[in-house]
Amino acid sequence: EAGVAQSPRYKIIEKRQSVAFWCNPISGHATLYWYQQILGQGPKLLIQFQNNGVVDDSQLPKDRFSAERLKGVDSTLKIQPAKLEDSAVYLCASSLDSWGQGAGEQYFGPGTRLTVT
Amino acid sequence: GQQVMQIPQYQHVQEGEDFTTYCNSSTTLSNIQWYKQRPGGHPVFLIQLVKSGEVKKQKRLTFQFGEAKKNSSLHITATQTTDVGTYFCAGPGQAGTALIFGKGTTLSVSS
Repeated sequence: EAGVAQSPRYKIIEKRQSVAFWCNPISGHATLYWYQQILGQGPKLLIQFQNNGVVDDSQLPKDRFSAERLKGVDSTLKIQPAKLEDSAVYLCASSLDSWGQGAGEQYFGPGTRLTVT
Repeated sequence: GQQVMQIPQYQHVQEGEDFTTYCNSSTTLSNIQWYKQRPGGHPVFLIQLVKSGEVKKQKRLTFQFGEAKKNSSLHITATQTTDVGTYFCAGPGQAGTALIFGKGTTLSVSS
């Protein structure tokens, strides 16, 4: 079974530029998550989708971050404009649970390491 | 807001020694999950505990969920160099949606 795919793996941009990350979850997984992981900390949820609907985006800085999951499969996360404090690893995860609750095992992708200079 | 705290933040042991990390939530949890993240890697699911007082074992790893469902622990017996990494506990947020992760305990093992 293929795992969660993410691209790119690394990205370096200057502040105020824009960047987009892509995620393809495990086939059949209804729930998709985007996390931000700053060095030395645990993953912090940015947004959770169930199929193509948003379940939780309370911690997404909506003035600069946006995400979509068209057709309930792939997802993209965009930052525009980027700030220095956005430097982090952006992890995508998916889970089987179809009720949008945090009760199921989550499978993480390899992440995208973003450096903002 | 709801918090999940872990101690210690770092632990260094000699190979063969035991290791324990503790997790505490500010609220009662419906379940708790544990993940391991190797250096440079991504979190990998280890286990989920659901019942009050539950104890589960995976080879040298023992996981416990407290009676009040607010704390948990992970104990590794006779550590090996392959145990190196950061261990995270995570519990559902109060809204019952996605997981809130602790800051993790980073384990280093010297042979």
